[in-house]
Amino acid sequence: EIVLTQSPGTLSLSPGERATLSCRASQSVNGNYLAWYQQKPGQAPRLLIYGSSSRATGIPDRFTGSGSGTDFTLTISRLEPEDFAVYYCQQYGSLPYTFGQGTKLEIK
Amino acid sequence: EVQLVESGGGLVQPGGSLRLSCAASGFILSDHYMDWVRQAPGKGLEWVGQTRNRAQSYLTEYAASVKGRFTISRDESKNSLHLQMNSLKTEDTAVYYCVSWQWAVSYWGQGILVTVSS
Repeated sequence: EIVLTQSPGTLSLSPGERATLSCRASQSVNGNYLAWYQQKPGQAPRLLIYGSSSRATGIPDRFTGSGSGTDFTLTISRLEPEDFAVYYCQQYGSLPYTFGQGTKLEIK
Repeated sequence: EVQLVESGGGLVQPGGSLRLSCAASGFILSDHYMDWVRQAPGKGLEWVGQTRNRAQSYLTEYAASVKGRFTISRDESKNSLHLQMNSLKTEDTAVYYCVSWQWAVSYWGQGILVTVSS
């Protein structure tokens, strides 16, 4: 089973700042099948990035995914008030699919 | 438009059973891999299991935590997915999400709450 470790656990930033979230895998992710999700309280996860770097439909271009192998990054270039939420990475290259423990992005 | 709507959740006693359903619209269920994912209150996301598409003979796989207790099935006539949960434990309490995989993109339902408590 591939273990995904996200860092930091909590990130405190202000609107307009840049956010960098990390997701490290215990072994190489097959096909770089790595997704990023945003989740707000009481809502289902929302797909932001799939295949490590492809933006899902309707996702603003301030969200950028990058990385390959075992190291992946989600960058939010200029934080908007609605971006403060919990972010999860998921690998779906091999079963069992696994999720990181999440990074909480909070307003400073 | 892809839509997934879960139903069948509720309160059940430990050791009991519950069957969740996921009604799919906007696509043909049998053509795609389908997952169940859950989230315990205040916790992260946990993959529960997967059924592959018709071309892959609907092969199913389960997380170790539910293997032997949970069963995923499809009803092609109703374009729906099911999760039969037996021998439920308090730690199975969670919101359960139905997820469709379409060309490496995931689509999620809104989730349904299952509470296992005496």
